[in-house]
Amino acid sequence: KQEVTQIPAALSVPEGENLVLNCSFTDSAIYNLQWFRQDPGKGLTSLLLIQSSQREQTSGRLNASLDKSSGRSTLYIAASQPGDSATYLCAVENTGNQFYFGTGTSLTVIP
Amino acid sequence: GAVVSQHPSWVICKSGTSVKIECRSLDFQATTMFWYRQFPKQSLMLMATSNEGSKATYEQGVEKDKFLINHASLTLSTLTVTSAHPEDSSFYICSANDWFRGNQPQHFGDGTRLSIL
Repeated sequence: KQEVTQIPAALSVPEGENLVLNCSFTDSAIYNLQWFRQDPGKGLTSLLLIQSSQREQTSGRLNASLDKSSGRSTLYIAASQPGDSATYLCAVENTGNQFYFGTGTSLTVIP
Repeated sequence: GAVVSQHPSWVICKSGTSVKIECRSLDFQATTMFWYRQFPKQSLMLMATSNEGSKATYEQGVEKDKFLINHASLTLSTLTVTSAHPEDSSFYICSANDWFRGNQPQHFGDGTRLSIL
């Protein structure tokens, strides 16, 4: 069964810093990998989707990479802002369109 | 863009009652929908795969008789938590795939917060 792990579990940084969130998964036979943001008590906001054949995706200050063979993905956030404070979830999608979510990284950006 | 709507967004009820949660794809057809559960401070866990016109497929450890899933049309799946107890209190989220558009991102509902007293 697919296991998805995220490191660190929590992160606190001053505003303006660049940061990296890490995700690892045990089964490299994935369809897609997606990064989500979840605010407290809310649903999911999709940030970036990387198809299994891709190596990275970029959107604004966000950049996500994928190394499928090693079972790793990173989410890079440039010039962090207080509004970036949230929980970030990494999820891998299998060919059956089922998602397996990571444990999440709780990010706090201090003004 | 494609939207998945969940209803209700929040429900509080007494122990022993049954609660129905709806998941609708608003502008696309979904042969398959998925139900996830998130306990406080934990990540989302897949509960079941809902298939239009057939029985749902449940993940190991999820009681099919307790969590009844009905996917009677291409735009609606329902999850009924039967005889709910406080330990069923959780955040339930559904997702759906626009099957006819091929490899497109799945769409997630905004979730339903279930609190059993």
